[in-house]
Amino acid sequence: QVQVVESGGGVVQPGRSLRLSCAASGITFSTHAMHWVRQAPGQGLEWVAFISSDASDKFYAASVKGRFTVSRDNPKNTVSLQLNDLRPGDTAVYFCGGAAGTVEAPFDIWGQGTLVTVSS
Amino acid sequence: QSALTQPASVSGSPGQSITISCTGTSSDIGGYNYVSWFQQHPGKAPKLMIYDVTYRPSGVSDRFSGSKSGNTASLTISGLQADDEADYYCTSYTGTPIPSYVFGTGTKVSVL
Repeated sequence: QVQVVESGGGVVQPGRSLRLSCAASGITFSTHAMHWVRQAPGQGLEWVAFISSDASDKFYAASVKGRFTVSRDNPKNTVSLQLNDLRPGDTAVYFCGGAAGTVEAPFDIWGQGTLVTVSS
Repeated sequence: QSALTQPASVSGSPGQSITISCTGTSSDIGGYNYVSWFQQHPGKAPKLMIYDVTYRPSGVSDRFSGSKSGNTASLTISGLQADDEADYYCTSYTGTPIPSYVFGTGTKVSVL
């Protein structure tokens, strides 16, 4: 059974940092590219970041580039998103999504998300 | 990268067919056959319904179909059912200026 579980969300003050984690099971994790997608309260989906299956490629949305860093640990079947210099506009549910293949492959595996609230 | 444009809402009666449009540019929808559609019920994770413009993942009803013409992709739901009531998002891969994805603005589907 395929399962993806995000964790690490919470309430944080502007300018502070947070680290999100995503644990996957039931898939061959080392062959899956992973994405982070976020959804602000009551709003639509926004792609945030991508990391290839072997971590050789990483891409970021312009809105987070230079502040967020994606990484992965294949032996532990986990992917992480380091969020630095957080802003109120980063408040959202952050979803982890898996794609069997390269950056063009569809995200067919999703977790339930973890809520990040940036507020003073 | 601007969001893809979708109608805010679409509605239909049970059994009817509806179509949701998703308009982008030649840099995203028009340039690649990597358009996906997601269904999202309130408080839930998105679910992949269509990928690569026309393909359905295993387990997705054949009432859902996708197409593309130029810079506009479309999702058609036939034989509308109560459980189809949800938010729907399109997304397209784009290689400009870097490999990335752009999502649509989202469409609320209501079953009357």
